[in-house]
Amino acid sequence: NAGVTQTPKFQVLKTGQSMTLQCAQDMNHNSMYWYRQDPGMGLRLIYYSASEGTTDKGEVPNGYNVSRLNKREFSLRLESAAPSQTSVYFCASSDGQGRSQPQHFGDGTRLSIL
Amino acid sequence: AQSVSQHNHHVILSEAASLELGCNYSYGGTVNLFWYVQYPGQHLQLLLKYFSGDPLVKGIKGFEAEFIKSKFSFNLRKPSVQWSDTAEYFCAVISNNAGNMLTFGGGTRLMVKP
Repeated sequence: NAGVTQTPKFQVLKTGQSMTLQCAQDMNHNSMYWYRQDPGMGLRLIYYSASEGTTDKGEVPNGYNVSRLNKREFSLRLESAAPSQTSVYFCASSDGQGRSQPQHFGDGTRLSIL
Repeated sequence: AQSVSQHNHHVILSEAASLELGCNYSYGGTVNLFWYVQYPGQHLQLLLKYFSGDPLVKGIKGFEAEFIKSKFSFNLRKPSVQWSDTAEYFCAVISNNAGNMLTFGGGTRLMVKP
């Protein structure tokens, strides 16, 4: 079982460049999430999608856009990368948005903006 | 503001020592609580979760956590750590008072010396 798959695993960008991070899950989960992980700050929610066709802002959405392409895929786009967006990005999915559903995480994308 | 606090940022223990990692949250309402672990170079994995019932929950690898509602705490414990427990540990809370979004603490890096 692949679970949650993220591509790429590593990327270096120059300030102002654009980039799309891809995420796909094979668990037939309804809800998907994008987080960023920064030292000492845990994971912060960027955007989430409670179900196919819906997306909502999380705690730190500025500078990002998302697309829930279908039930399996949820992409995160940086239109004009900034050094402050240097981080590790994690995609996650869960079976419903209910409070009792634990989230399953991908391996992360380490993104550096120069 | 609603938040999740992990007061120990770095913990160093010798093998066989006992472990307790603190987690406090400031949410009201009904909460579900989680501990996730991130081994070096890997994605987050669920250690244990509390939804309701017995406030002492047992997870994988000998970990347990106790929910103390009056103290807004959900501390993680393990009687005897092993070198393989070296990882970063994240407490997370989801509350019906916070839009059912999962909020993470800042994480605790545990190093176990052999």
